[in-house]
Amino acid sequence: AQSVTQLGSHVSVSEGALVLLRCNYSSSVPPYLFWYVQYPNQGLQLLLKYTTGATLVKGINGFEAEFKKSETSFHLTKPSAHMSDAAEYFCAVSDRIKAAGNKLTFGGGTRVLVKP
Amino acid sequence: SQTIHQWPATLVQPVGSPLSLECTVEGTSNPNLYWYRQAAGRGLQLLFYSVGIGQISSEVPQNLSASRPQDRQFILSSKKLLLSDSGFYLCAYGQGGGYTFGSGTRLTVV
Repeated sequence: AQSVTQLGSHVSVSEGALVLLRCNYSSSVPPYLFWYVQYPNQGLQLLLKYTTGATLVKGINGFEAEFKKSETSFHLTKPSAHMSDAAEYFCAVSDRIKAAGNKLTFGGGTRVLVKP
Repeated sequence: SQTIHQWPATLVQPVGSPLSLECTVEGTSNPNLYWYRQAAGRGLQLLFYSVGIGQISSEVPQNLSASRPQDRQFILSSKKLLLSDSGFYLCAYGQGGGYTFGSGTRLTVV
């Protein structure tokens, strides 16, 4: 069974400051890991994903995340927050079982507020 | 290119009425398809997934059902809605280990 824990349901950052969203996972197989962003009343948009290879993954909108197997973590960062980064962010892990649907398990989400 | 369409965007339904939400995918064949629900203050809950036509797996017992009458069509239904069915419903298709989501349906049961 898989699980994802996002530390902090709400994060407040100042415009221009570092954004750090924490994600820890549990998986019985080498994981595929994802970060999604959701703006109000919209679907989820993929920010970035880790499948294999380089453990530092760059995504859209200046975000990046690092897969650390020893820490079972996949934290999301952005050096300088913009007002447009205000949204809810979800970390997810895939079970990678194609016959069972490649199901994603999501964390509870972190809502980011950006202060001017 | 691949796209996913979900409708309607918003829906207000009385308790006890039926429900039908539709999701269609374009530009891909035999996708895995998923229905998720987001309730207020809660995360994303997987309701159903489908790996092929007519194949539906339910993740949680509930008042809802799903069907996949065509390869790229996924329908979420209920015969009688409950207040607890209110929420934001998201359809998604699986690709490359991740998902692409539709724009969602906000369902309010009154």
